[in-house]
Amino acid sequence: DQQVKQNSPSLSVQEGRISILNCDYTNSMFDYFLWYKKYPAEGPTFLISISSIKDKNEDGRFTVFLNKSAKHLSLHIVPSQPGDSAVYFCAASGVAGGTSYGKLTFGQGTILTVHP
Amino acid sequence: KAGVTQTPRYLIKTRGQQVTLSCSPISGHRSVSWYQQTPGQGLQFLFEYFSETQRNKGNFPGRFSGRQFSNSRSEMNVSTLELGDSALYLCASSLPGQYTQYFGPGTRLTVL
Repeated sequence: DQQVKQNSPSLSVQEGRISILNCDYTNSMFDYFLWYKKYPAEGPTFLISISSIKDKNEDGRFTVFLNKSAKHLSLHIVPSQPGDSAVYFCAASGVAGGTSYGKLTFGQGTILTVHP
Repeated sequence: KAGVTQTPRYLIKTRGQQVTLSCSPISGHRSVSWYQQTPGQGLQFLFEYFSETQRNKGNFPGRFSGRQFSNSRSEMNVSTLELGDSALYLCASSLPGQYTQYFGPGTRLTVL
C-alpha cells in the first residue's frame, strides 16, 4: 500500500519556465510534508516543507502548496534552471506511523529535466 | 557545521556475509534514521534511533539491525546478506522534535 504517490515519473521543462511537481497521499494522519532533491549516488537534499496547518510555503524560487481536502501537494519552481535537473521526492510524516518523528514515507520520485 | 557522514561509501560483499555501516549525525542531532533505496522499491524506512533506543521500525526482516551510541553515532548491521540487499543505504539525522531530516551521502552496498 503506497501511502505517498508521485504519479509522474518524469517532467521536462524549458529554462525560465515554471516546473510543477505533484504528489498525492492517502493517509489523513500525515501532518507534515517535505520535498527533497536528489542526484544519483548522493543523499537527498532537503528543499522545503509545509505543515498541515498551512496551505502554502515559499522559499526563494520554491513554493509548496498543500490541499488537505484533496490530499495533494505540489512543488512549484519558478524560474526553472538547468541546475534544477534532478530527481524530486515528496515525503510525509506525522502520527500516521505510530510515532511522530523519525520516519519519513517517500513517494517514488519524479525526474525533472530543465532544458537550456 | 559538518553534515551527516557515512562510512564506507562503497562496499562489495558476497552472499551470506554480514556488513556494518556507520553514520555520524550532524552535531546536536540526536535522532538518526536509516533508509534503503533500490530501483524497484524506492526509498524505504528501516528504523530510527533516539537516545540510544530504537523508537520506530520499518517492515524489514530481523537480519537488519542497528544501534546508537551515547554520542548519537549509529551503526546498522545486515547479517546473512542476500543479492536483494544490494542498495544505497542512507542515514539521516534530525533535531529532537523536528520532522526535517538531513541525509548523508549514502553507502552503496553491492552483494555478489
